[in-house]
Amino acid sequence: KAGVTQTPRYLIKTRGQQVTLSCSPISGHRSVSWYQQTPGQGLQFLFEYFSETQRNKGNFPGRFSGRQFSNSRSEMNVSTLELGDSALYLCASTGRGSYEQYFGPGTRLTVT
Amino acid sequence: ILNVEQSPQSLHVQEGDSTNFTCSFPSSNFYALHWYRWETAKSPEALFVMTLNGDEKKKGRISATLNTKEGYSYLYIKGSQPEDSATYLCASQNRDDKIIFGKGTRLHILP
Repeated sequence: KAGVTQTPRYLIKTRGQQVTLSCSPISGHRSVSWYQQTPGQGLQFLFEYFSETQRNKGNFPGRFSGRQFSNSRSEMNVSTLELGDSALYLCASTGRGSYEQYFGPGTRLTVT
Repeated sequence: ILNVEQSPQSLHVQEGDSTNFTCSFPSSNFYALHWYRWETAKSPEALFVMTLNGDEKKKGRISATLNTKEGYSYLYIKGSQPEDSATYLCASQNRDDKIIFGKGTRLHILP
């Protein structure tokens, strides 16, 4: 069974631009969560999608948005990028009836 | 406690020694406590999920306990090996399915 995949793995953008990150969950998993990790911080929860609906949202500004498609693939979008958005963005998928999250390798975003 | 706190932040342990570290979490509205191991250049890997007060889980040389009333969990590693070097994350999940991660304990095993 293939694991969680994320694309791209690395990305460099400039301030003011927008970016879209993609996450494909493990086959059969319908829940996808997104996290941001910056140096010195723990993983900060962005949002969770289940069956194409946002089920939970963390404390991030509206510049951070996401969506989920019918095949459970999820995208995360950040508009008007700021230097502080430079981080590792991880997504995780969860199977039905399970608490365990399976993480992808992450997308390392650098904003210059 | 409103946040998830992990201590110590960093730990150096001699190979072969046993060690443990702590995760403190909000005890109100608690649903589940997760432990992950995160090795450098890899994805976080789930170790345990615990829900009930008094839960104890074990996987090889690693075990964890849970006290939901006082809001803490311990992770124990017996007979540390070099491959145990990693950051160990805990995360508290509440009944609204919000998950809060601690900043992790960075474990270094010294040969």
